[in-house]
Amino acid sequence: GAGVSQSPSNKVTEKGKDVELRCDPISGHTALYWYRQSLGQGLEFLIYFQGNSAPDKSGLPSDRFSAERTGGSVSTLTIQRTQQEDSAVYLCASSPRLVAGGSDTQYFGPGTRLTVL
Amino acid sequence: AQSVTQLGSHVSVSEGALVLLRCNYSSSVPPYLFWYVQYPNQGLQLLLKYTTGATLVKGINGFEAEFKKSETSFHLTKPSAHMSDAAEYFCAVTRTGANNLFFGTGTRLTVIP
Repeated sequence: GAGVSQSPSNKVTEKGKDVELRCDPISGHTALYWYRQSLGQGLEFLIYFQGNSAPDKSGLPSDRFSAERTGGSVSTLTIQRTQQEDSAVYLCASSPRLVAGGSDTQYFGPGTRLTVL
Repeated sequence: AQSVTQLGSHVSVSEGALVLLRCNYSSSVPPYLFWYVQYPNQGLQLLLKYTTGATLVKGINGFEAEFKKSETSFHLTKPSAHMSDAAEYFCAVTRTGANNLFFGTGTRLTVIP
């Protein structure tokens, strides 16, 4: 079946502009995660959605970052007033969350490479 | 708090040689441990994971890892390296009730023909 898809694959923007990154999870997966992969920081958790529960936003680095998940499926990560330090690969993952707790396998998309000039 | 340390950001092996990628974790509760592989310009793909039960875990592509609680380690091994194994490998830890994975900084594996 189809895996996690993300768009765009590459995004170049100017400092101060807003960007939106999209994630389509695997059909039927109730859990959705956003991570950021950058040279200096490695892979960092950003935000987690599970069903209709309030999202876990504990990893968002600043209030310029926000995300939403509509209809329990597609998610959009928005970065406002982008800064050069936001340049990174943004990875989305989904999991079926069959059991409570962290043992689920997370399935990752190919990522969006964001470059802020 | 949970964290992962991967010793060696770069590892080179000859084709056919043993692959050993090291991972040590820190966790105050029983951990769940994962190894992911990332090929260039692709997302992460699960190689194997340990949750409970047998401490020697076998994964895809001939890889395996052993959970050693006394050593807080989860090293990844493969008896014989193939050229196609060249990639970046990430160890990750989480725990029951957690919402996210904590990743190590990754190890880039180069396979020399």
